[in-house]
Amino acid sequence: AQTVTQSQPEMSVQEAETVTLSCTYDTSESDYYLFWYKQPPSRQMILVIRQEAYKQQNATENRFSVNFQKAAKSFSLKISDSQLGDAAMYFCAYRSVQGAQKLVFGQGTRLTINP
Amino acid sequence: DTAVSQTPKYLVTQMGNDKSIKCEQNLGHDTMYWYKQDSKKFLKIMFSYNNKELIINETVPNRFSPKSPDKAHLNLHINSLELGDSAVYFCASSQAPSIAKNIQYFGAGTRLSVL
Repeated sequence: AQTVTQSQPEMSVQEAETVTLSCTYDTSESDYYLFWYKQPPSRQMILVIRQEAYKQQNATENRFSVNFQKAAKSFSLKISDSQLGDAAMYFCAYRSVQGAQKLVFGQGTRLTINP
Repeated sequence: DTAVSQTPKYLVTQMGNDKSIKCEQNLGHDTMYWYKQDSKKFLKIMFSYNNKELIINETVPNRFSPKSPDKAHLNLHINSLELGDSAVYFCASSQAPSIAKNIQYFGAGTRLSVL
């Protein structure tokens, strides 16, 4: 079974600075997808970014980018120019390509933005 | 228009009662999911239906019964509620598992409090 680990329960960053959230996972599969979801205080789960394991190029979405290290099974999220609206719980998630494709989540990292 | 909508947003009830949470998606997706987020914010899959057929049934007590009357709806019925059932329940939907790049879109969650 796949597992996802986020070792940082909480992180904080100054507004406009850069912060990196860590995620590692365990799998025996060679093809899969990785995701970062954001959960603000409103509780809504919002997709931030997605990475296909077969792609070597790291995914980027505006101020959000990932560092995907397949051999190390590492998938970190970098947030540049942090904004107050980035404050939220961030969840790393794994999904198989085959089968029923449930999302397997990490424990989450609570990100605080200091003004 | 809300893509994935859950009702109610909040549910407070007594132990032993039976309650239902409803979920509807207007994205034309074939697959729907129920996830449970516990008090420590950990998210875990409970059930998934693809085109009204149950495809994921994790280790969940028999008191929980999902029902999918059609592809756009997936309801969750809970019998004999217990204190430990208190959590936030999220509905999600995606395209069919055969579409490898499918993304899961989440509802806003239902906070269930069992007293």
